[in-house]
Amino acid sequence: QSALTQPASVSGSPGQSITISCTGSNSDVGGYNYVSWYQQHPGKAPKLLIYDVTSRPSGVSNRFSGSKSGNTASLTISGLQAEDEADYHCSSYTSSNRNTLVVFGGGTKLTVL
Amino acid sequence: EVQLVESGGGLIQPGGSLRLSCAASGFTFRNYAMNWVRQTPGKGLEWVSAITGSGGTTYYTDSVKGRFTISRDNSKNTLYLQMNSLRAEDTAVYYCAMEFTVTTVGEKFGSWGQGTLVTVSS
Repeated sequence: QSALTQPASVSGSPGQSITISCTGSNSDVGGYNYVSWYQQHPGKAPKLLIYDVTSRPSGVSNRFSGSKSGNTASLTISGLQAEDEADYHCSSYTSSNRNTLVVFGGGTKLTVL
Repeated sequence: EVQLVESGGGLIQPGGSLRLSCAASGFTFRNYAMNWVRQTPGKGLEWVSAITGSGGTTYYTDSVKGRFTISRDNSKNTLYLQMNSLRAEDTAVYYCAMEFTVTTVGEKFGSWGQGTLVTVSS
């Protein structure tokens, strides 16, 4: 069982907006602004989409945005496109275990209808 | 362009050992902490281990501590993961991942390799 909780799947139609949630605790998501989001297409490596809750690496579309409220972080994708169909993973720095630096969610499969 | 190329995966019996390598290019390797992250087929990601740029400090998740050893050779721009006493639950695709910034360790991963599959089975 993953430390962070994400919905197993979400779906949306082209042009719509969707939001994926990532729920943790005060020891990770709620305690630090070190939440990241990754996009992973089938058979490919993950790609960093969002870091430090709201920041986008150079080259990432501004259709992707991140936010956080309490112990829940969210990834919003606006203007859905077919190529957005992928798995999305959240991660957070954690202080819950002195050996584990970062925890991930279980991943969310996005289907573009 | 950053390139990370893993190798060394394969089928290994429980209790066996394997060493993974990750050849890096396109950036100043010694400046960045590096990580190993694994993914069970069809499942989520799990951070396994991290090492600072100098190699002086290492970190491990509880389930591999004492069995896995992360190391790096900055003269060869290569990251390693020595895996001993392998268990069935270690079966996964193992990715090497570069920190996004020079100041962080085990926090956010800006570049990933293509992964190498490790299967632990008799």
